[in-house]
Amino acid sequence: AQSVTQLGSHVSVSEGALVLLRCNYSSSVPPYLFWYVQYPNQGLQLLLKYTSAATLVKGINGFEAEFKKSETSFHLTKPSAHMSDAAEYFCAVSPQRKLQGAQKLVFGQGTRLTINP
Amino acid sequence: DSGVTQTPKHLITATGQRVTLRCSPRSGDLSVYWYQQSLDQGLQFLIHYYNGEERAKGNILERFSAQQFPDLHSELNLSSLELGDSALYFCASSVGYSWGKTGELFFGEGSRLTVL
Repeated sequence: AQSVTQLGSHVSVSEGALVLLRCNYSSSVPPYLFWYVQYPNQGLQLLLKYTSAATLVKGINGFEAEFKKSETSFHLTKPSAHMSDAAEYFCAVSPQRKLQGAQKLVFGQGTRLTINP
Repeated sequence: DSGVTQTPKHLITATGQRVTLRCSPRSGDLSVYWYQQSLDQGLQFLIHYYNGEERAKGNILERFSAQQFPDLHSELNLSSLELGDSALYFCASSVGYSWGKTGELFFGEGSRLTVL
């Protein structure tokens, strides 16, 4: 079974500061890992994904994440926060190979990012 | 705009009632997924349809059912509604049977259900 744990349901940073959102995963098989962002009153949008190629993955809006197998982590970072980054961020995991049919994307509980002026 | 359309955006109903949520996937997408988002449970996978056939079930209650029609739109039916069913219901679509390496699910803006 796959699961993800996002450490911290709320993270607050100042504009221009480093953003670090933590995600640890549990998977019995090699995983695909994703970060999605949800802006207020909108659906989820893919930020970036790890699909077993490069361990450092770059996404949209200046975000990146690094897959660390030894730490079972896939933390999301951005060097300098913008006000527009305020949103809820979800880490998600899926097995690389299909298990009993279709794959399921399992989401973490989400981290709400607040940017202080 | 993700290209996934969900209706209605908001729905208020009473306990014991039945509602239907509708989803139109992106043009060309054959897979439709339903998710429930609530404060206490987070984002929960409900069910997946591919080209009209059910492919996977998650934490979907027996009071809930879904189907995907020949034109690929999908409906989620919620019956005998309880207060705890109040949530945001998302539909997502992807190109194929499995998003695999693409990792991209395209989400609609959701249908917010309030049960009073």
